Amino acid sequence: ETGVTQTPRHLVMGMTNKKSLKCEQHLGHNAMYWYKQSAKKPLELMFVYSLEERVENNSVPSRFSPECPNSSHLFLHLHTLQPEDSALYLCASSQEAGSYEQYFGPGTRLTVT
Amino acid sequence: GEDVEQSLFLSVREGDSSVINCTYTDSSSTYLYWYKQEPGAGLQLLTYIFSNMDMKQDQRLTVLLNKKDKHLSLRIADTQTGDSAIYFCAEMWASGTYKYIFGTGTRLKVLA
Repeated sequence: ETGVTQTPRHLVMGMTNKKSLKCEQHLGHNAMYWYKQSAKKPLELMFVYSLEERVENNSVPSRFSPECPNSSHLFLHLHTLQPEDSALYLCASSQEAGSYEQYFGPGTRLTVT
Repeated sequence: GEDVEQSLFLSVREGDSSVINCTYTDSSSTYLYWYKQEPGAGLQLLTYIFSNMDMKQDQRLTVLLNKKDKHLSLRIADTQTGDSAIYFCAEMWASGTYKYIFGTGTRLKVLA
């Protein structure tokens, strides 16, 4: 397995459910990111982790809770989401936070019903 | 405020050149990027340019940066049907905090 992988690729959840998105990078990078991609809106940076420490949190609602147990894994825990949270959630990694080159995973398509 | 703008759609004939344009508002960007996204896939970094450069060429890709007008363009020479995708312009700066701002993307359709 190479690059950045994300699971699941598709997720449908109700507003009262709790689910988690998983991201894994096999590149030996020290920084990982969560982005949200909604239809007809720019890609939004949600969280940045550097060496397992959160270094950026761009005013994301608390119903999204990130976790970075080690530099290869990143999770996004979801609870009591709203239908407007339906989007493609992309994970990325880079050698260091602020490195010019980020590598993106294929994304998880989330639908909140 | 911080904003990156792109036109939403571009259509060209196979073999022609494509030019995708982008404007940004923050002059303190460190890097400016072009990403490509194919259906069902994540973003793939195509090329980037440092903010102190005017031009960068990489095979069929040419990036032009006009800092005065805050305008970035991507030219694809000899456009192929495999180039059909969404192209995102993005700017990044890292000075005490990390900011990556992406445009809404330009959908390029290449006609055979």
